[in-house]
Amino acid sequence: KNQVEQSPQSLIILEGKNCTLQCNYTVSPFSNLRWYKQDTGRGPVSLTIMTFSENTKSNRRYTATLDADTKQSSLHITASQLSDSASYICVVHYGGSQGNLIFGKGTKLSVKP
Amino acid sequence: NAGVTQTPKFQVLKTGQSMTLQCAQDMNHNSMYWYRQDPGMGLRLIYYSASEGTTDKGEVPNGYNVSRLNKREFSLRLESAAPSQTSVYFCASNPPGGVGTEAFFGQGTRLTVV
Repeated sequence: KNQVEQSPQSLIILEGKNCTLQCNYTVSPFSNLRWYKQDTGRGPVSLTIMTFSENTKSNRRYTATLDADTKQSSLHITASQLSDSASYICVVHYGGSQGNLIFGKGTKLSVKP
Repeated sequence: NAGVTQTPKFQVLKTGQSMTLQCAQDMNHNSMYWYRQDPGMGLRLIYYSASEGTTDKGEVPNGYNVSRLNKREFSLRLESAAPSQTSVYFCASNPPGGVGTEAFFGQGTRLTVV
């Protein structure tokens, strides 16, 4: 069964600290993996998209990694800010159809001052 | 550019009532999507439209219909609302290249069916 599992469910860190969010998937055939940030009451916003051949991708203080062999991805946030408080969603696209998307349940990150 | 605009932002319906959720994008995107987001669950695809004139079912299409009115607009209709359809609904669009490109989401419609 195609699944995307994210951990932890929730995380609280102090402002300025780093953190890493995990995404494991059992999806085949893999097409790409993306990370979204969703602020409370808003729609998701894309952070990165990674294809099979990409191991690391950065977007400002966000760095995503992908290990297609172990089917794992991580999102590392450096020097966290209060505005990083949000849910982070891992999404995997598989196969050729545009409708083949599996969303993880997200990790809720709270950054405290 | 406004991006992806959804209307209304909030709606309360009685069981059995019908309504249409509107979505419009001004980015000249080909692909458009409707999702629902429920507490404790990931977003789930209801319907999508790869291009003007085409629509396809997603993971949870039962109880919904869609219309791709033109390239800009993609509407979602609930013919007879049920409490199980209480959810937050998101519309999204992708530029040419489909899911290989980043999706842009609207702000969501919070629907409560009582």
